[in-house]
Amino acid sequence: DAGVIQSPRHEVTEMGQEVTLRCKPISGHNSLFWYRQTMMRGLELLIYFNNNVPIDDSGMPEDRFSAKMPNASFSTLKIQPSEPRDSAVYFCATAGRTPLHFGNGTRLTVT
Amino acid sequence: RKEVEQDPGPFNVPEGATVAFNCTYSNSASQSFFWYRQDCRKEPKLLMSVYSSGNEDGRFTAQLNRASQYISLLIRDSKLSDSATYLCVVTPTLGTGRRALTFGSGTRLQVQP
Repeated sequence: DAGVIQSPRHEVTEMGQEVTLRCKPISGHNSLFWYRQTMMRGLELLIYFNNNVPIDDSGMPEDRFSAKMPNASFSTLKIQPSEPRDSAVYFCATAGRTPLHFGNGTRLTVT
Repeated sequence: RKEVEQDPGPFNVPEGATVAFNCTYSNSASQSFFWYRQDCRKEPKLLMSVYSSGNEDGRFTAQLNRASQYISLLIRDSKLSDSATYLCVVTPTLGTGRRALTFGSGTRLQVQP
């Protein structure tokens, strides 16, 4: 079992650029969650999908953020345009009958 | 009031000590409870689920108090390797219904030699 796979591990970009984060869930897990973690705000749920359908996106900070899950094996989180305050670690996590399994995260730095 | 609250610590304890953390939750409809462990610059990993009757896994004991709406984690004979941040997780419903998993901000434990 390869676990939840996220890419890239690190992303450094300039303000205004588009950033795309990717996630491959554990096979058979039908729920997928995107979290953001910062020192100030801790771990925040951004959006989650059940069977590829977005269920709750109330945690998405603003319209600059969007997430898709075109199929059961792939999801993206896009930030356009990026801002310095978006700098954080972004985690993807998936769950089936078992509790959440997290990917290694993407550390995003926006300068 | 936050949905899930934890004392951020840090808890600095010597090796071999017993240490306990509490986590309070505001939604009385919460059904599932977990403790996760997060090492520095790593992802959170499931430590243990918390059952109504309480459960034990080696040196770790988790308990649930529904009346007072808190869960606890007890670590006995603490090791240097227990140093980490401990996050509690609360979910309002089971099954395939809406599940808004909520994490506490974490309690940092530092075990000292």
